[in-house]
Amino acid sequence: GAVVSQHPSWVICKSGTSVKIECRSLDFQATTMFWYRQFPKQSLMLMATSNEGSKATYEQGVEKDKFLINHASLTLSTLTVTSAHPEDSSFYICSAPSGTASGTQYFGPGTRLTVL
Amino acid sequence: AQSVTQLDSQVPVFEEAPVELRCNYSSSVSVYLFWYVQYPNQGLQLLLKYLSGSTLVKGINGFEAEFNKSQTSFHLRKPSVHISDTAEYFCAVSDNQGGKLIFGQGTELSVKP
Repeated sequence: GAVVSQHPSWVICKSGTSVKIECRSLDFQATTMFWYRQFPKQSLMLMATSNEGSKATYEQGVEKDKFLINHASLTLSTLTVTSAHPEDSSFYICSAPSGTASGTQYFGPGTRLTVL
Repeated sequence: AQSVTQLDSQVPVFEEAPVELRCNYSSSVSVYLFWYVQYPNQGLQLLLKYLSGSTLVKGINGFEAEFNKSQTSFHLRKPSVHISDTAEYFCAVSDNQGGKLIFGQGTELSVKP
């Protein structure tokens, strides 16, 4: 089946630095990708919808200047956490719809961010 | 706006017993419903989905779910669980195929020998 990869799988950074997370669809094209955040023992919260060739759509309460999303190609979306702080530590997960009528979405394995 | 409520945060059960994980949704438009499983420190895996048609949906690993429009529910069931079913289970809703998903709070299924 289709695969979505994320890189890195985990990252530790110092407070105040920026971190970039990549989400790639490996064998299919995705004009749309979704970014979620999951805190420990909690559910996935949608952060934003990444759109190829246009600006991302952010959910209410998500700071677009802090979480920069760039959908550079039909197979790559990046999430940059700018000026990261300890409260940004979380599990970041991306997904991409298959583009077929199956309604299937493929999830990446996630990226664990720890901000010291 | 859409929302999903998973009524049980934790469900402990003995191996080979049946289990039901409850999910209720609210939506003002057509819904597409999903159940995902997440093993520790891993991404999400699709168990099953309801898009249209038969209200009884069968998925992987012996799980099934029934879409009940009148009760706005999509409960997940398995007649006999295994230790390996221990994981976090998420119910999710979307208003279109391939659209963004709204997740419930999750249910931790713990299968004990």
